[in-house]
Amino acid sequence: AQKITQTQPGMFVQEKEAVTLDCTYDTSDPSYGLFWYKQPSSGEMIFLIYQGSYDQQNATEGRYSLNFQKARKSANLVISASQLGDSAMYFCAMREYGTGGGTSYGKLTFGQGTILTVHP
Amino acid sequence: NAGVTQTPKFRILKIGQSMTLQCTQDMNHNYMYWYRQDPGMGLKLIYYSVGAGITDKGEVPNGYNVSRSTTEDFPLRLELAAPSQTSVYFCASTGRGAEAFFGQGTRLTVV
Repeated sequence: AQKITQTQPGMFVQEKEAVTLDCTYDTSDPSYGLFWYKQPSSGEMIFLIYQGSYDQQNATEGRYSLNFQKARKSANLVISASQLGDSAMYFCAMREYGTGGGTSYGKLTFGQGTILTVHP
Repeated sequence: NAGVTQTPKFRILKIGQSMTLQCTQDMNHNYMYWYRQDPGMGLKLIYYSVGAGITDKGEVPNGYNVSRSTTEDFPLRLELAAPSQTSVYFCASTGRGAEAFFGQGTRLTVV
């Protein structure tokens, strides 16, 4: 069964500092993708970063990087140089690609989310 | 580019009424999803589809139905609305290996 866990309901960070948002996952499929999304108070879902299970290097997109530790099944999001506009809910998500013959082929599942507050 | 379009944006239903939430995408994506999000909570998967004619249940399918007769459209049907279905509903679509694109959401209140 597919499962995504975010254990930090809320995180606080000082402006310009770095912050790590935790995400662990569980899947038996060897081929999967991991995503991070940002949801500001306005409600829209904003794609941040993607990591494929076979990617050798950690994904980076500007101030966002994904600390992918495959053996530990973790995919933490690191935001460097936090800005006030980073205050939002952050979601980790996973998709299986079905090469393992599992029953979750194509399913895109989200974690519970972490509310990040950036203080000036 | 329209992306993923959801209608309506807001709706108030009375208990026992039915309605269909529309979702259409113009990116020729095979994968489409319906989620609900309760206040302060994460996205819970209701139904998903991996292609036209194929649908499957997510985590919280009870009280909902879907169909996927075309690649573009993935409507969500609520039968006999209940207060517990008050939520924000998101439709999303994705191609293989790509990010998921989301609609703007439908805020549904059942009174």
